[in-house]
Amino acid sequence: DAKTTQPPSMDCAEGRAANLPCNHSTISGNEYVYWYRQIHSQGPQYIIHGLKNNETNEMASLIITEDRKSSTLILPHATLRDTAVYYCIAGGSGGSNYKLTFGKGTLLTVNP
Amino acid sequence: EADIYQTPRYLVIGTGKKITLECSQTMGHDKMYWYQQDPGMELHLIHYSYGVNSTEKGDLSSESTVSRIRTEHFPLTLESARPSHTSQYLCASSSLGQGPGNTIYFGEGSWLTVV
Repeated sequence: DAKTTQPPSMDCAEGRAANLPCNHSTISGNEYVYWYRQIHSQGPQYIIHGLKNNETNEMASLIITEDRKSSTLILPHATLRDTAVYYCIAGGSGGSNYKLTFGKGTLLTVNP
Repeated sequence: EADIYQTPRYLVIGTGKKITLECSQTMGHDKMYWYQQDPGMELHLIHYSYGVNSTEKGDLSSESTVSRIRTEHFPLTLESARPSHTSQYLCASSSLGQGPGNTIYFGEGSWLTVV
């Protein structure tokens, strides 16, 4: 898996968009960008993933730069329940040797 | 919602005891994983499996062992627990397909305290 760099913590006001950045400058052409989050004491939860194009689902949007060296996870209307550690992972080309390596992530705190 | 279950959720045991953490998934996933996470720290992969009768060591060395006799079941065993084994253990699974990335689904975790 390519190494990723995320800020250790971020704050966001409730109802506002939360934009979480991630650098993955060593990502290879067939590696995906994944985002997971972990709410305190629970197992990580899958959010979204992408390869080249921007992606959107019911939870979030993923914006990947054209050179694929960085990405941003967007929570459009953050709620208090979105307070969690968010992990950005670059890897997993879909082969049988695939496994995820979690870093330290970003602790997002949504404030009322 | 992911259908992956871990038992027990919380366990306090004495030093030297043998324990088995159970993990089952009903999604028919070939790949299963065990991660270890100390409070406030990173997740570390300790074991994974590609399928029945397949087990591999993860990135972090662990004194635990695993087995995969059935697709849906991936138990983790500590033959002689020590206080240093106190941690949260997270089980996960994913499909082995060639599709666009393999989403990993996690269980709720098992909190082990060895006294």
